[in-house]
Amino acid sequence: GESVGLHLPTLSVQEGDNSIINCAYSNSASDYFIWYKQESGKGPQFIIDIRSNMDKRQGQRVTVLLNKTVKHLSLQIAATQPGDSAVYFCAEGGDNYGQNFVFGPGTRLSVLP
Amino acid sequence: DAGVIQSPRHEVTEMGQEVTLRCKPISGHNSLFWYRQTMMRGLELLIYFNNNVPIDDSGMPEDRFSAKMPNASFSTLKIQPSEPRDSAVYFCASSLGAVAYYNEQFFGPGTRLTVL
Repeated sequence: GESVGLHLPTLSVQEGDNSIINCAYSNSASDYFIWYKQESGKGPQFIIDIRSNMDKRQGQRVTVLLNKTVKHLSLQIAATQPGDSAVYFCAEGGDNYGQNFVFGPGTRLSVLP
Repeated sequence: DAGVIQSPRHEVTEMGQEVTLRCKPISGHNSLFWYRQTMMRGLELLIYFNNNVPIDDSGMPEDRFSAKMPNASFSTLKIQPSEPRDSAVYFCASSLGAVAYYNEQFFGPGTRLTVL
């Protein structure tokens, strides 16, 4: 299968604990942000998104926080499960259609039993 | 639904050869994207189409790369001639509509290209 690079920052958490993955974005004009999850051998999968007029958005077990002042995005995963082990990317966009995204380098989340 | 289909899943070729990657988007989706993923540069958008028309190809690395979408159910990414630095995983993605805010992109499984 297809996989991401082997030298990504890694976050290790105990099963059941909460995880926080951080991302710094570069363009202060970006107005739309997405978090993706990529499991080994698969393509990226949409998790949650947020627009720049919001600072927090919640989904099922996941929360995204946006701090435009310092251009920082975070993904919080509640009660982390083994199935959450993957590489997580943030992406920023904001052209006319908002489809030309710039992706962050990714963070590998490892869930320990 | 079968999801986005890409072929081949793996391709090994020699420098100078032509490589063609194929993608079948999800039926009914009107936007299609080609991405490249490498260890050094991460995930990069190469080109995207709306209703079979190329909208933004600013991510295409150079003239050796070309992409076509002859109809709503098929797209190709061609590299001619290929070079070792083109080795990467190439992803195709599709979405229902043009505006990202309301249209999630669905990614295919990718094609791992190795150019020797």
